[in-house]
This record gives sequence, C-alpha cells and structure tokens, in this order.
Amino acid sequence: GAVVSQHPSWVICKSGTSVKIECRSLDFQATTMFWYRQFPKQSLMLMATSNEGSKATYEQGVEKDKFLINHASLTLSTLTVTSAHPEDSSFYICSASGQGRSNYGYTFGSGTRLTVV
Amino acid sequence: ELKVEQNPLFLSMQEGKNYTIYCNYSTTSDRLYWYRQDPGKSLESLFVLLSNGAVKQEGRLMASLDTKARLSTLHITAAVHDLSATYFCAVDLMEYGNKLVFGAGTILRVKS
Repeated sequence: GAVVSQHPSWVICKSGTSVKIECRSLDFQATTMFWYRQFPKQSLMLMATSNEGSKATYEQGVEKDKFLINHASLTLSTLTVTSAHPEDSSFYICSASGQGRSNYGYTFGSGTRLTVV
Repeated sequence: ELKVEQNPLFLSMQEGKNYTIYCNYSTTSDRLYWYRQDPGKSLESLFVLLSNGAVKQEGRLMASLDTKARLSTLHITAAVHDLSATYFCAVDLMEYGNKLVFGAGTILRVKS
C-alpha cells in the first residue's frame, strides 16, 4: 500500500531556532501534500496544502513566513518552522494524495513531535 | 464554512457492549473517512466511504454513509479493550481541490 515517511519523529529545539520536517511518499507520486498540526487532546487542523512545483496555500491564520513549505518534487515536501517558540510545540502530521494509489484518499505520515524549549 | 460534528466526544463503555459514534457535516460531500489514532501516534485509516449508502465493515467496526442526511456512523459491536483509541471522521471537500476537514474526535475507552 501507499506509504508516507515523515522525519524526524520527534525533535527538541531551542527558542529562536528553525526546524525542518520532511515528508516523503515512498511508493507513489504525491501531487498534493498537506500539513496538519495537532495540539494535545484536539483534532487535526490543516495548516497548508502544497502542490508539486507550486507555492503552498495556507489556511487562514497560519503565518506563511513562519511555516515555510516546499514541495519541490513529487515525492518530497518539507515544513520548516522558523524562529520557533514554545507555543509552536505541537504534533505535526503530513499527508499525501496523488497518482499511483490503489484507492481514493490520503496517506498520513507518522507525525513529528516538536518541543521548543 | 464546513462544520464536521462528532458525538459523543468521549465514550466509556464496557467490553461486550455495542455503541455508535455519529458524524454530521454541513455541506455536500460524497467522500468521508474514518481514522483511528492511538496516543502519541499518527492516523490509521479505517474506512473510506465513497457514495451514498456505502457500508463497510472490518472486524467489530462498521461504518456507513448517508449523504442526503449528511451523516456517517461508526458502529462498534461487542467492544474489546483493544478498540480503545480516538476516532476521527473527516469529510473530503472535493470542490476545494480535495482537502479534509476533521471532526473533533471521539475518545473511546473500553473497560474490562
């Protein structure tokens, strides 16, 4: 089945530094990738949608200069949290949809737990 | 604005009992997904419902979709402890280029 690999699975960083999270589709071409964040005991909130080779579309209230998304190829999207602060600590999950999948839908990565200290 | 409402938000049940989780949504959509999430983990796909009247079953879980009523249900039969998790429904906004809007989630605890 379709597999999406997300790295790192967890990261701790200091306030003011930047963190990059990678999301790779391993066995299909991900024409569209999605980035979500999830706070404890809450649902997933879509942050942005990216199509290969295009600028990401951000949801209302998400700072595009803070959460940089790059979708340079059909198998890789990255999310960079710039100048991270403790309030950015969250669980970040990517998901992908695209060609070559056997069914409709979205494949989710394993998530990245970000802790900013 | 699309709203996806799940209820109940928390469900504590005894092993062996049956229960249903409901997912109502406020706009037209023919695709609805159910996911399971264990603590600290990402989402596991349970069901993809693609049309009105769709019914899918896997083990003790059965999901259905009524697009006219904008309602999906996840029915649990003879619950076991291993089903304890958080369950999310998500509606596919195809007219917006395909994106998912999630319900708030139902925390299920099955007691022995």
